[in-house]
Parts: sequence; C-alpha cells; structure tokens
Amino acid sequence: DTEVTQTPKHLVMGMTNKKSLKCEQHMGHRAMYWYKQKAKKPPELMFVYSYEKLSINESVPSRFSPECPNSSLLNLHLHALQPEDSALYLCASSQEPGAYSNQPQHFGDGTRLSIL
Amino acid sequence: RKEVEQDPGPFNVPEGATVAFNCTYSNSASQSFFWYRQDCRKEPKLLMSVYSSGNEDGRFTAQLNRASQYISLLIRDSKLSDSATYLCVVNIRGSTLGRLYFGRGTQLTVWP
Repeated sequence: DTEVTQTPKHLVMGMTNKKSLKCEQHMGHRAMYWYKQKAKKPPELMFVYSYEKLSINESVPSRFSPECPNSSLLNLHLHALQPEDSALYLCASSQEPGAYSNQPQHFGDGTRLSIL
Repeated sequence: RKEVEQDPGPFNVPEGATVAFNCTYSNSASQSFFWYRQDCRKEPKLLMSVYSSGNEDGRFTAQLNRASQYISLLIRDSKLSDSATYLCVVNIRGSTLGRLYFGRGTQLTVWP
C-alpha cells in the first residue's frame, strides 16, 4: 500500500477543460514532487516543493499550475491541455529535499490522464 | 551524455535463475543511489537503497563501485513476481533541490 495518495486514479478531459490532480501524504515529509511519465520512459520531473515553497520548475508549460496548500497536500491544476500531455502523473514525497538527504522518494500510484 | 545509463534489456530468464543488472552514472558528485521497480502501468516502488559497502535484502543484492561509477543489482532465485522494470536512480550532491536522475529502466521477464 502506498503512503502517498493520489486522486483521481484516471481522468479523461477535453482540451478546454479545467481539472485538478490531488496528492496527499501524512508521513511528515517536507519535500513533494510532480512527475510526468510516458509509456516505456522513466519519470520526468516537473515540479519540486520544498517546505511548501516551489523550488524547482523544470520549464513546465503554464497550462500546468502546481499548488501546495500545506505540508501534506500537493495539487496540480490543469487547463487547456494538449493531447501530448496524456501520460501518467506521479506525485512523490521525501523526508527532506534531495540535496540535503539520502532519503529516497516515495511515489503515489499516479493519475492516468487522457486528453481528448 | 545521460547522467544515468542502464541496459534496457529486455532480460528474459527462467524461474530460479540469477540475473544481474548494471547501471553507470556520469557525475562523481553523486551522493545516494537507489533501485526502484515499476510494474506495468503502476508507480515506481523503492526496492532498495544502495550503500557503499553493498547491501543485501533477501534475494536481492546491490553493489556500488564509486571508483568506476557503477551500480549493480543481483537477483537470485528469480520468481515470476520479479517481472518488472528496474530503475536505477541517483541523487547528485549539490544538485538542485530534490533532483533525482533516473535511468531508462531495465525490463525483466521471468518465465515459468
């Protein structure tokens, strides 16, 4: 069982829709991450939140907007997505940000997103 | 050059076989190392961290060679349930906060 919970598990949306992905962890981790993964590829980092502040944006298009309401929650707001944005979106957390710690990241089971 | 290189496989082995995966990393400042497994259409799950002295967890043994910048994973007595993609993951000291570097994964299929 994963200790990082993501909702929804599946999402189908049109290119004009607005939706949000949610991620929650109750392990007291202070770093949280969004990744995008396409089939047969490794996860690609999108955003890192460290102590509830955005510390990394990997040049992600503005149609993806992250939000960290508190230390346990991470959202990813989606608007005007393109078909190529269809992918598995993974949330992860770690005890401390990676540069300060040897602790691994723990992944949620992902949201499978399809853009029509 | 990619930060982390892995042989993508696929590796197809019979049950009970021993199989080894290799991974090399390019940055000598690399700090921490992990093996994750990922089942088809599932999330990556931490299999084991890799320590400088090498470490073992049941049928799984991980080795680190800092001089050669090389990590390995050995699976003994393979089970059908070991079929998955194995990701080599590296954290580089001084990298931007929280940045992990993933290999492309090695696909393993264990057949009966």
